[in-house]
Amino acid sequence: DTEVTQTPKHLVMGMTNKKSLKCEQHMGHRAMYWYKQKAKKPPELMFVYSYEKLSINESVPSRFSPECPNSSLLNLHLHALQPEDSALYLCASSQDAVNYGYTFGSGTRLTVV
Amino acid sequence: DAKTTQPTSMDCAEGRAANLPCNHSTISGNEYVYWYRQIHSQGPQYIIHGLKNNETNEMASLIITEDRKSSTLILPHATLRDTAVYYCIVKGYSTLTFGKGTMLLVSP
Repeated sequence: DTEVTQTPKHLVMGMTNKKSLKCEQHMGHRAMYWYKQKAKKPPELMFVYSYEKLSINESVPSRFSPECPNSSLLNLHLHALQPEDSALYLCASSQDAVNYGYTFGSGTRLTVV
Repeated sequence: DAKTTQPTSMDCAEGRAANLPCNHSTISGNEYVYWYRQIHSQGPQYIIHGLKNNETNEMASLIITEDRKSSTLILPHATLRDTAVYYCIVKGYSTLTFGKGTMLLVSP
């Protein structure tokens, strides 16, 4: 298995909702990442997990809450989002957080209404 | 990590070679050059990476100049499905940081 799987592919949520994005990989990678991509912009790093511990938080607002339950799974919990948070959310993984390139999932297209 | 400079956009005729340049004049000795592409609304796809030697795989070739200050990604026979944004990224012992990339449009 050489893929990173993200669910759901599309999500529409209201500003008072709570939802979660899920990411899964079975490549034995020990680093996982969340990126956010606005339209016509490059992906921007949000969080890095290395060996299931949060190692980088790029000053992301607390309405985004990451979780890494085990080495294969990465969640992004969403609460009280704003319309400007609408974007493509990308998950990626790599063998470790330092030395290797990343494998990306196909993303979750999030719309906040 | 060193910054990269890429043209904003390029055109290529289907079946011809696409040569995408990247300048990275401040690259350090331990930094690799990575190329990714992103087809509209999909996740970035790894293409190739290299340190100082030229590299080739089933998708593309990567030519790195001897002084390592620039590189060229070559798609030998471009198809319509190669239309995408191509990102040249210099990466050392840090995270993958995307610049603006080059929008490659392959036309019939």
